[in-house]
Amino acid sequence: KAGVTQTPRYLIKTRGQQVTLSCSPISGHRSVSWYQQTPGQGLQFLFEYFSETQRNKGNFPGRFSGRQFSNSRSEMNVSTLELGDSALYLCASSPTTTGTVPYEQYFGPGTRLTVT
Amino acid sequence: QQPVQSPQAVILREGEDAVINCSSSKALYSVHWYRQKHGEAPVFLMILLKGGEQKGHDKISASFNEKKQQSSLYLTASQLSYSGTYFCGTENTGNQFYFGTGTSLTVIP
Repeated sequence: KAGVTQTPRYLIKTRGQQVTLSCSPISGHRSVSWYQQTPGQGLQFLFEYFSETQRNKGNFPGRFSGRQFSNSRSEMNVSTLELGDSALYLCASSPTTTGTVPYEQYFGPGTRLTVT
Repeated sequence: QQPVQSPQAVILREGEDAVINCSSSKALYSVHWYRQKHGEAPVFLMILLKGGEQKGHDKISASFNEKKQQSSLYLTASQLSYSGTYFCGTENTGNQFYFGTGTSLTVIP
């Protein structure tokens, strides 16, 4: 099976711009989660989608949004970029959950976003 | 609400044992463990559910003390391939999921 893929792998944007990141989960996985990883904050949960519905959301401002399509592919959007949004954005898919939390997440390689 | 891991970093010689702890201030329903090697994505190791048994994966095992809201990851007879950053992820009874602060483990020959 192909793993989780994320595009683009690297991105450089300017403050104030917006960006859309894409994630294709492993075939058959219906849960997709997004994380922001920075050296100082570690892995921070952004949101999780299951069957096109957002089930959980982390403590991020409304500038961060996402969606999931009927084929389970997911996109994440960040509007009005700030310097502090520079990070590695990881997407993870899961075949099952413990209820509302994904179980055994498979991570993609991430998108490295740099905001200048 | 982010669980706290200890130690923050540890250096071991091949064959030595290590314990990584994960502590939460909230009641937990499940604890998940992941390992991330430098420059790579995190990889799932195991999950422990409330009321479940201690889990094991080769020479890596974990326990979950529900009353203390803590989990421990045990690495025995460490190998060079064990090097990486270990993260615990905790699901609290409010269905919130947080990754821990991470523990950097380095195994040297």
